Amino acid sequence: NAGVTQTPKFQVLKTGQSMTLQCAQDMNHNSMYWYRQDPGMGLRLIYYSASEGTTDKGEVPNGYNVSRLNKREFSLRLESAAPSQTSVYFCASSETGRGPGAFFGQGTRLTVV
Amino acid sequence: GQQVMQIPQYQHVQEGEDFTTYCNSSTTLSNIQWYKQRPGGHPVFLIQLVKSGEVKKQKRLTFQFGEAKKNSSLHITATQTTDVGTYFCAGDRGSTLGRLYFGRGTQLTVWP
Repeated sequence: NAGVTQTPKFQVLKTGQSMTLQCAQDMNHNSMYWYRQDPGMGLRLIYYSASEGTTDKGEVPNGYNVSRLNKREFSLRLESAAPSQTSVYFCASSETGRGPGAFFGQGTRLTVV
Repeated sequence: GQQVMQIPQYQHVQEGEDFTTYCNSSTTLSNIQWYKQRPGGHPVFLIQLVKSGEVKKQKRLTFQFGEAKKNSSLHITATQTTDVGTYFCAGDRGSTLGRLYFGRGTQLTVWP
């Protein structure tokens, strides 16, 4: 089982460039999430999707958009990257309301210069 | 604001010492989950606690859920170098949306 697959693993962008982070899960989970992780800040929720076709803002949604393309895929788009978006991004999935917890992808290390 | 508070932020122990991290929520939780993230890695699910006052053990790790379902703790007995990493708690309020509220984590360093 691949679990949760994120691409790319590393990316360097110039300020103002756009990019899309891809995420796919093969566990038939309903819920998918995008987090960013910065030193000392833990995991902060950007957007989440409880089911195909629905998305909701999390704690830090500004500067991001998401698309729940189908049950498997949940993408995160940066329309105009800013240095403040330099971070490690994690995609995760879970079965809503039931265990055994969320499964995380390997992460994308993004640097905006 | 921060929905789930976790302390301490950092903990340095010598191998063989015990370690505890604490988690407190401002609201009652449906369940609480614990994750471990190794340096350079991704968070990995450890356990879920659902019942008030529940205690679960995984080898040297003991997890507790408070009676009011607002706090939790993770205790590691006799730490080993393999325990190094950041431990996160995540609270679930029980909504159908499945959103988790993560604490900021406790970064554990173990000296050999």
